[in-house]
Amino acid sequence: VQLVESGGGLVQPGGSLKLSCVASGFSFSNYWMTWVRQAPGKGLEWVANINQDGSERHYADSLRGRFTISRDNADNSLYLQMNSLRPEDTAIFYCGRDAPYSASSGFFDHWGQGILVSVSS
Amino acid sequence: QSALTQPASVSGSPGQSITISCTGTNSDVGGYNFVSWYQQHPGKAPKLILYNVFDRPSGVSRRFSASKSGNTASLIISGLQAEDEADYYCASYTSRSTVIFGGGTKVTVL
Repeated sequence: VQLVESGGGLVQPGGSLKLSCVASGFSFSNYWMTWVRQAPGKGLEWVANINQDGSERHYADSLRGRFTISRDNADNSLYLQMNSLRPEDTAIFYCGRDAPYSASSGFFDHWGQGILVSVSS
Repeated sequence: QSALTQPASVSGSPGQSITISCTGTNSDVGGYNFVSWYQQHPGKAPKLILYNVFDRPSGVSRRFSASKSGNTASLIISGLQAEDEADYYCASYTSRSTVIFGGGTKVTVL
């Protein structure tokens, strides 16, 4: 199992960024997937998850409306579109593999290496 | 929704056992057996060490175990080793179909 994030970088406040996570080594379309972030020196914060066909998505209350999770099973890819970015969104973003069931398991057994998003003018 | 409550730090000597608590509410920890624990070394991605309260992924040491009572889950590390020095996070599924993490606990091996 391998998860590789990309798309991070420096963005100005109010800007947008789209993160990608390419999965390999497992049947991507069978699994819920998730995004988790970690601000510098801080703890883990769950961001969002998405079910196998993209028909069910859940978001952390603090992020609703600004972030959108999506996936492309044909490309084994998970995405996170981030709009109206704020300095407090600066963090390492991790994609994670969730459950192969009809509902999220709430745990993530494989993680990517993480990608840094910096929001600053 | 506030993070699950964990002690900021716990320490112990090699060979000792330590316990890290994780307190939530009836809407998360107390309502589901979907509590998980993660170990994170500096500069590394988190690693799942326990899930569904008690279960250990393949390859994780049996020195890691867990329990749950009411709204509080606990991680027990027995036979503490130098390599166990890391940050530990609990997480729980919630009634809103989301996931919530604890604030994290720094474990120091004296």
